[in-house]
Amino acid sequence: QSALTQPPSASGSPGQSVTISCTGTSSDVGGYNYVSWFQQHPGRAPKLMIYEVNKRPSGVPDRFSGSKSGNTASLTVSGLQADDEADYYCSSYTGNSDSTVVFGGGTKLTVL
Amino acid sequence: EVQLVESGGGLVQPGGSLRLSCAASGFTFSSYWMHWVRQAPGKGLVWVSRINGDGTVANYADSVKGRFTISRDNAKNTLFLQINSLRAEDTAVYSCARDRVLGSGSCDCWGQGTRVTVSS
Repeated sequence: QSALTQPPSASGSPGQSVTISCTGTSSDVGGYNYVSWFQQHPGRAPKLMIYEVNKRPSGVPDRFSGSKSGNTASLTVSGLQADDEADYYCSSYTGNSDSTVVFGGGTKLTVL
Repeated sequence: EVQLVESGGGLVQPGGSLRLSCAASGFTFSSYWMHWVRQAPGKGLVWVSRINGDGTVANYADSVKGRFTISRDNAKNTLFLQINSLRAEDTAVYSCARDRVLGSGSCDCWGQGTRVTVSS
């Protein structure tokens, strides 16, 4: 159950786009369309931003989009806003011998 | 309003035990997979365990297998996590979360968490 790999940091200026990657294996990200992305502001509970690779829950702006290619999933935030500055985590279902869930290490997104 | 409220955390000595609870309201609790996720101070999210709607399927992270037990009481809309043989590395805020997609990790509702500190 190794954690998914995310870059520790990412940044962009207001209005720009930024993409955060999440790399796993064929047993998790590459094997299932069950990748989720969460936003967490300091001291707050995580918020689901993307599920099933590219679906947005009600209320999440369409500036947030998800995709996947092979064993790597990506979250793209377009039209960056100050409030987008937060930690972002990916997660994936893992279909190993004991079905589990694994998170990435998190990416700190800074809006310059 | 969908709400999850955890309780039961505290300061415990290494080797000790705690039972965490998560009270759910605002939705049909028995219809959802539920998860426990923990976050050590200044660290990232770590998945701990999940359980299906009727409590017949439970899975655990390798790091807690054999020490932690997840369960639920659907009549009381409450999720539990029994944590035994606690270690310093178990120190974290433990949060429960509701899964919108069959236990896949698509957690659309989270509690604020309950803090567990393991120290002598």
